[in-house]
Amino acid sequence: ETGVTQSPTHLIKTRGQQVTLRCSSQSGHNTVSWYQQALGQGPQFIFQYYREEENGRGNFPPRFSGLQFPNYSSELNVNALELDDSALYLCASSWDRENSYEQYFGPGTRLTVT
Amino acid sequence: AQKITQTQPGMFVQEKEAVTLDCTYDTSDPSYGLFWYKQPSSGEMIFLIYQGSYDQQNATEGRYSLNFQKARKSANLVISASQLGDSAMYFCAMREGNGNQFYFGTGTSLTVIP
Repeated sequence: ETGVTQSPTHLIKTRGQQVTLRCSSQSGHNTVSWYQQALGQGPQFIFQYYREEENGRGNFPPRFSGLQFPNYSSELNVNALELDDSALYLCASSWDRENSYEQYFGPGTRLTVT
Repeated sequence: AQKITQTQPGMFVQEKEAVTLDCTYDTSDPSYGLFWYKQPSSGEMIFLIYQGSYDQQNATEGRYSLNFQKARKSANLVISASQLGDSAMYFCAMREGNGNQFYFGTGTSLTVIP
């Protein structure tokens, strides 16, 4: 059973650019959540996808968008990057929306916006 | 108001000693779940322990136990027999009802001293 994987590990982008981060869920998991963790802070919930549909969103602007694919892998897209978007982006997968308390996190993608 | 408050930015403990990491929470939902995660410098969030609001007993998982005091809205993590590998950031988190959003605290950095 493979764990949650994320790519790339590190990324450097320029303000105004667009970025796509990827996440492969743990085998059998149908729910993916994305979090932004700024330096020295706890993770902040961005949104969750359940069976390819967005299933809840935190306090993030529309330029943060996502997709979940039939194989339950997921993407996080951020348009018009700002300096404050620099953070560790974590995805977490679980196997059922109702029982999603046991989330399994990936290692994260560290995004730096210059 | 903050959903999760962790008031200890940093803690030190001697190897083989026990340590308590504090967490208080704020919710009006009678149904909620409380979690502790460990985040080593590698960035991955590792699930440690879970406590449901209706659970009568304090949760335990090996060397980890959760001191759940519902009336005080506290959910402190106790690590017994600390090991050098316990040095990491520790985050307390909460999920309300069947909601999909996890609220995280700002974390406590634990350093285990040989």
